[in-house]
Amino acid sequence: DAGVTQSPTHLIKTRGQQVTLRCSPKSGHDTVSWYQQALGQGPQFIFQYYEEEERQRGNFPDRFSGHQFPNYSSELNVNALLLGDSALYLCASSRYRSPNYGYTFGSGTRLTVV
Amino acid sequence: GIQVEQSPPDLILQEGANSTLRCNFSDSVNNLQWFHQNPWGQLINLFYIPSGTKQNGRLSATTVATERYSLLYISSSQTTDSGVYFCAVESGYSTLTFGKGTMLLVSP
Repeated sequence: DAGVTQSPTHLIKTRGQQVTLRCSPKSGHDTVSWYQQALGQGPQFIFQYYEEEERQRGNFPDRFSGHQFPNYSSELNVNALLLGDSALYLCASSRYRSPNYGYTFGSGTRLTVV
Repeated sequence: GIQVEQSPPDLILQEGANSTLRCNFSDSVNNLQWFHQNPWGQLINLFYIPSGTKQNGRLSATTVATERYSLLYISSSQTTDSGVYFCAVESGYSTLTFGKGTMLLVSP
């Protein structure tokens, strides 16, 4: 049973560019959440998708956008990259409004903006 | 939003020692998870424990929901236990909120 898979594992982009990160949820999960983890910090919630709609959003600018597909997979897009966007981006899958199932995290995408 | 505080922030142990990590939270929760983040960044789920006590090998966890804290016990620590331990909670139908983590270093 595959867990959460993320791609790519590492990425280097130039300031001002755009980036797309991808996530496939664990089998049986229908909800995808994205987190940003800066060096030395805990993960910070970006947004959550269910039924192809953004359901919740953290304190992140509109440069961060996402999408969920009918097969529950998801993309995170970041436009006009800043040096401060360099971080580990984690995807978590879960079952919508079923906290007793918990969250499962992928291995993350490490984004470096130069 | 809900606040999560973890202590201690850093911990250095000799192999074989025992340790206790603490997580305090500011509101009632319906989900509490302990994670271990390995050096490659992956968050490994250790326990889903909104209340009660669970054990898995050398690790065990206890959450006292009425007093809003959780404890993670590591017994007979090994070098492979090194890494960052996170407590994360969910209140209502929100999302996971993480503490700042406890960085554990186990030396041989």
